[in-house]
Amino acid sequence: DAKTTQPNSMESNEEEPVHLPCNHSTISGTDYIHWYRQLPSQGPEYVIHGLTSNVNNRMASLAIAEDRKSSTLILHRATLRDAAVYYCILLRWNQGGKLIFGQGTELSVKP
Amino acid sequence: GAVVSQHPSRVICKSGTSVKIECRSLDFQATTMFWYRQFPKQSLMLMATSNEGSKATYEQGVEKDKFLINHASLTLSTLTVTSAHPEDSSFYICSARVGSGGGSYEQYFGPGTRLTVT
Repeated sequence: DAKTTQPNSMESNEEEPVHLPCNHSTISGTDYIHWYRQLPSQGPEYVIHGLTSNVNNRMASLAIAEDRKSSTLILHRATLRDAAVYYCILLRWNQGGKLIFGQGTELSVKP
Repeated sequence: GAVVSQHPSRVICKSGTSVKIECRSLDFQATTMFWYRQFPKQSLMLMATSNEGSKATYEQGVEKDKFLINHASLTLSTLTVTSAHPEDSSFYICSARVGSGGGSYEQYFGPGTRLTVT
């Protein structure tokens, strides 16, 4: 499984942008970068995914480094409801396309 | 986004009994579903991949005779925990894949089922 490295925890203030980093130095050319988040006692929620180019959707933006060895999930204005564990996952389609979860980053948002 | 439901949300059973958990894709058809288990303060652990009409593929270390998975239709997959023991107490989560494949897809998760074995 392709490994990702994320900080264990981060803090943010409400209504400020949050940049959640992820290192994936062993990424291969066909690995997609996926982000999911999990609120307490709930199933994970899809956030965003990308391959090479930066991606934007209504929830967040994904900035992918040129060498693809790292990426950053950007929440443009954090709200209290964004407090969750955020998982950065590399998806290898030729290995069954399975999402293998690491430990993730626990984001807390202060009012 | 697509909706995945699970039933029941919570179940308590006695040691030695079997428990069935249902996972449904409500507004889409899912040829592939996944089952995860999560212990308190830990990350999700993939148990198996379930493909409609075929046998599930189990991850290493997961007992296929203990965790029976059936994916009989494009909208329903079931996980049966047989002869449950207290160490099987966990949060079980299913998910379904939506997309064209090749890695560019979204995966939607159910709300989870909290199993407690007494």
